[in-house]
Amino acid sequence: DGGITQSPKYLFRKEGQNVTLSCEQNLNHDAMYWYRQDPGQGLRLIYYSQIVNDFQKGDIAEGYSVSREKKESFPLTVTSAQKNPTAFYLCASSYRTNTEAFFGQGTRLTVV
Amino acid sequence: AQSVTQLGSHVSVSEGALVLLRCNYSSSVPPYLFWYVQYPNQGLQLLLKYTTGATLVKGINGFEAEFKKSETSFHLTKPSAHMSDAAEYFCAVSVPPFSGGYQKVTFGTGTKLQVIP
Repeated sequence: DGGITQSPKYLFRKEGQNVTLSCEQNLNHDAMYWYRQDPGQGLRLIYYSQIVNDFQKGDIAEGYSVSREKKESFPLTVTSAQKNPTAFYLCASSYRTNTEAFFGQGTRLTVV
Repeated sequence: AQSVTQLGSHVSVSEGALVLLRCNYSSSVPPYLFWYVQYPNQGLQLLLKYTTGATLVKGINGFEAEFKKSETSFHLTKPSAHMSDAAEYFCAVSVPPFSGGYQKVTFGTGTKLQVIP
């Protein structure tokens, strides 16, 4: 079945450590996204990529980094520079950037 | 730039009652509109979408929405609520690719639907 896989579902890290969230899709979509979700704030765009080897900052990119070396993969690194990293992170992909997005199941990151 | 406003962060309905979740948008060009549903600790799933054509759009799980240009609205409805409808619902807007480049999808802040037995 086609879809988006995020791993792990739950992640715990100590403050000051970098952590990488995985996102893989087999939908053959060109566009991929990372969103952060906090209670009452909806979805906020962290980074997006329209094509392999290219990505752009979203609304809240500070403290995050991404790579897009393969069409199928768009990993997100939460660095120690991110001041409040505890959140629910959602990866998504779409055929074009203005069409409906397909979401992964999310990764809940807790930094202690 | 486009924007979307969802009226009411929490909505409660009785089982069997009408569900009405409100969404108003702002866009300088004819928009694409979407409704998504999110169950706890899961990703978002597309309920329905409007791009062009018929303004009444039917989606999954018995939901539908009507695009009203004059009111800049895209409210989500379901005639009879079921317990399994309890979830968070997100309205989203984007614009067609008239000139290329990145057309961003903008999400609303969400409405949590509670269904009371």
